[in-house]
Amino acid sequence: AQKITQTQPGMFVQEKEAVTLDCTYDTSDPSYGLFWYKQPSSGEMIFLIYQGSYDQQNATEGRYSLNFQKARKSANLVISASQLGDSAMYFCAMRGTGANSKLTFGKGITLSVRP
Amino acid sequence: NAGVTQTPKFQVLKTGQSMTLQCAQDMNHEYMSWYRQDPGMGLRLIHYSVGAGITDQGEVPNGYNVSRSTTEDFPLRLLSAAPSQTSVYFCASSPGWNTGELFFGEGSRLTVL
Repeated sequence: AQKITQTQPGMFVQEKEAVTLDCTYDTSDPSYGLFWYKQPSSGEMIFLIYQGSYDQQNATEGRYSLNFQKARKSANLVISASQLGDSAMYFCAMRGTGANSKLTFGKGITLSVRP
Repeated sequence: NAGVTQTPKFQVLKTGQSMTLQCAQDMNHEYMSWYRQDPGMGLRLIHYSVGAGITDQGEVPNGYNVSRSTTEDFPLRLLSAAPSQTSVYFCASSPGWNTGELFFGEGSRLTVL
């Protein structure tokens, strides 16, 4: 079985500052993928970034980067230069192989960006 | 650019009524799935399909049925709605059964009275 843990309470960040959203995971699969999704108040799920377990480099997509520490089983999302539009719920998710190929989500973290 | 289309977006049911949430994707994706989202619970997998004619249960399948007669469509059926099924439902698809990100529909908000 695989598990995603997001335990931070609601996060607050000042506009233009960087923020890190924590995610730890547990799996027995040697190969897996880690994902972050954003859910704004309008409700849609927006894919942000992907990290493969065998990727040598940390993934980056614009202002989003994934701080992947495999030994610690953590996949933290870093948002640089926060914008007001970054205020949303953020979900970490993982997808393994075989019986664990279904995407498993954490419970999410609410981020509020202050002007 | 339709992507994943869910209907209806909003529905109110009475306990015991039945209904079907429709999901269609036009990306020729093999994998389709249904999630429900409840406050503080994240997204939980209800049922999924790795291809036409193949379905399987997820984490919370009770009270829901699915079928996959075509690659494009993956309807979710509630045979006898219960208040515990009040939730936001998301359909999602991906190109392969074990690869890539999920593409989500806009969600369907269901209230069971």
